[in-house]
Amino acid sequence: SQTIHQWPATLVQPVGSPLSLECTVEGTSNPNLYWYRQAAGRGLQLLFYSVGIGQISSEVPQNLSASRPQDRQFILSSKKLLLSDSGFYLCAWQGQPNYGYTFGSGTRLTVV
Amino acid sequence: AQTVTQSQPEMSVQEAETVTLSCTYDTSESDYYLFWYKQPPSRQMILVIRQEAYKQQNATENRFSVNFQKAAKSFSLKISDSQLGDAAMYFCAYHSGGSNYKLTFGKGTLLTVNP
Repeated sequence: SQTIHQWPATLVQPVGSPLSLECTVEGTSNPNLYWYRQAAGRGLQLLFYSVGIGQISSEVPQNLSASRPQDRQFILSSKKLLLSDSGFYLCAWQGQPNYGYTFGSGTRLTVV
Repeated sequence: AQTVTQSQPEMSVQEAETVTLSCTYDTSESDYYLFWYKQPPSRQMILVIRQEAYKQQNATENRFSVNFQKAAKSFSLKISDSQLGDAAMYFCAYHSGGSNYKLTFGKGTLLTVNP
């Protein structure tokens, strides 16, 4: 069966520090991969998605970047964090569109 | 672009009662999929139920069922025999059947279950 792993679960980082959040999927190949941010416990904002290795689409210009170095690995990064980067980050994967997304357990990022 | 609207920011229900959460969407496509996701306090997103637009029969999953009205572009979620564990944020979502890879989410409805 397919599983998705996302880490770390919680992160507190000072302003100006770098960021690296990692997401890996097991039990499937060539999944579509997604990074979402959820601020203020409300709606989900799509940040990046990837349909293959090295293929990254950005939805919102911002202080973040994403990379997909391997088929089942998706990384969210920042060189210098801002206070506004605080939030809850969710990784998700998709096999077939009619099955929707399967989400990771999320990372709670607090920038101080 | 497709939009998904959840007009009820918050709802409450008594334990063991039934509650219906509303969702409408706007699309010009005929091939698409609709979903309801649940986000409990743990914030893990859990797929509750899904519906293919080409299917006229409403999807059901145990105590969860949908009322899919394609012409009205409405996709409501009914929770029967509500339990305390049903308390969560519920998101309605739309996915195109074409090559668009993205889910479009509504803003969510916070459901409270009262004992």
